Amino acid sequence: GAGVSQSPSNKVTEKGKDVELRCDPISGHTALYWYRQSLGQGLEFLIYFQGNSAPDKSGLPSDRFSAERTGGSVSTLTIQRTQQEDSAVYLCASSLKSSAGRAFFGQGTRLTVV
Amino acid sequence: AQTVTQSQPEMSVQEAETVTLSCTYDTSENNYYLFWYKQPPSRQMILVIRQEAYKQQNATENRFSVNFQKAAKSFSLKISDSQLGDTAMYFCAFMKLLNSGNTPLVFGKGTRLSVIA
Repeated sequence: GAGVSQSPSNKVTEKGKDVELRCDPISGHTALYWYRQSLGQGLEFLIYFQGNSAPDKSGLPSDRFSAERTGGSVSTLTIQRTQQEDSAVYLCASSLKSSAGRAFFGQGTRLTVV
Repeated sequence: AQTVTQSQPEMSVQEAETVTLSCTYDTSENNYYLFWYKQPPSRQMILVIRQEAYKQQNATENRFSVNFQKAAKSFSLKISDSQLGDTAMYFCAFMKLLNSGNTPLVFGKGTRLSVIA
């Protein structure tokens, strides 16, 4: 597709279960970012992939959060043993390596932990 | 670490009028970009306007313009001739620029703008 695609669009899960969120970046974009947007808050950086470099994981809030990017394309954000405070919109963005900051965002996954 | 502050949680403007959204930031970097993103109810973040820190001239995109005051670390967004479709959350964002390329964006908490008919 032409844009960044995220799935699922919405996810409701029970506390304690694991969830996987998927991001398909724009073809050819080497940089991929995950952000979390909690109700009434701005976007909180989680993790950043750039080509074959080691990812910048400095924003991951706990060891229950992890992310992979396979083949330099699709990325999966995994949250283990979900907690109610994990409820948020998870946004993915991609960009060319040096695109002067022009990042393109997906429509996000709204995660609700009940 | 960089921080971005948007001091106006909510604003409203009459259709066709002009509105200014405020943003200040804190950084010790000299090489960076500043952005305004729009987030309508669809949740998708849309880039409105971008400013390179090394450029003194304020960026303009049609009805959208910025007032970039580097010394004051201020980056406000002016929307002229406001339209109903401008109703959205607006986020100010900062990006440090490295020789290796882009870095993650740092966002403010947003301003909810309502355009009233």
